[in-house]
Amino acid sequence: EAGVAQSPRYKIIEKRQSVAFWCNPISGHATLYWYQQILGQGPKLLIQFQNNGVVDDSQLPKDRFSAERLKGVDSTLKIQPAKLEDSAVYLCASSWGQGSGNTIYFGEGSWLTVV
Amino acid sequence: DQQVKQNSPSLSVQEGRISILNCDYTNSMFDYFLWYKKYPAEGPTFLISISSIKDKNEDGRFTVFLNKSAKHLSLHIVPSQPGDSAVYFCAASGNQFYFGTGTSLTVIP
Repeated sequence: EAGVAQSPRYKIIEKRQSVAFWCNPISGHATLYWYQQILGQGPKLLIQFQNNGVVDDSQLPKDRFSAERLKGVDSTLKIQPAKLEDSAVYLCASSWGQGSGNTIYFGEGSWLTVV
Repeated sequence: DQQVKQNSPSLSVQEGRISILNCDYTNSMFDYFLWYKKYPAEGPTFLISISSIKDKNEDGRFTVFLNKSAKHLSLHIVPSQPGDSAVYFCAASGNQFYFGTGTSLTVIP
């Protein structure tokens, strides 16, 4: 079974530029997550989708970050304009359902450096 | 508001000995707990989980213990192997998953 796919793996951009990350979850997983992980910290949830609907985006900086999952399968996370503090690993994850008892599975991450 | 805490940033253990990684949480509503392992330049990999109705779950060399009254869980790895050297994250879930900051385990051959 294929895991969570993410691209690109690495991206270096200048501040104020834009970047987009793509994620394809495990087949059949209805719930998709985007996490931000800064060096030395644990993953922080940015946004959670259930199928093509947003369940939680309370920690998404909506002035610069956006995400969509239009057909309820793959998803795109965009940052525009990027700031230096956005340098982090962006982890996509998926699970069968939402809520307790579900195990989330991560992709390998998209590493962003903003210079 | 760090709801899941891993107070030991790093741990070194001799090969063959037991590794014990600890995690504390604050929210008594959490009812499902997980451990993830992360190698450099890779995403976290699911390792083992435990429901709040249990106090122990075992999978091969890995055992997770849950002490609900103390709001504490631990991961035991025995015997430890050099390939276990990685960062370990604990996570707790209710409506959302919360992650600790990780413990870097080094297993010395």
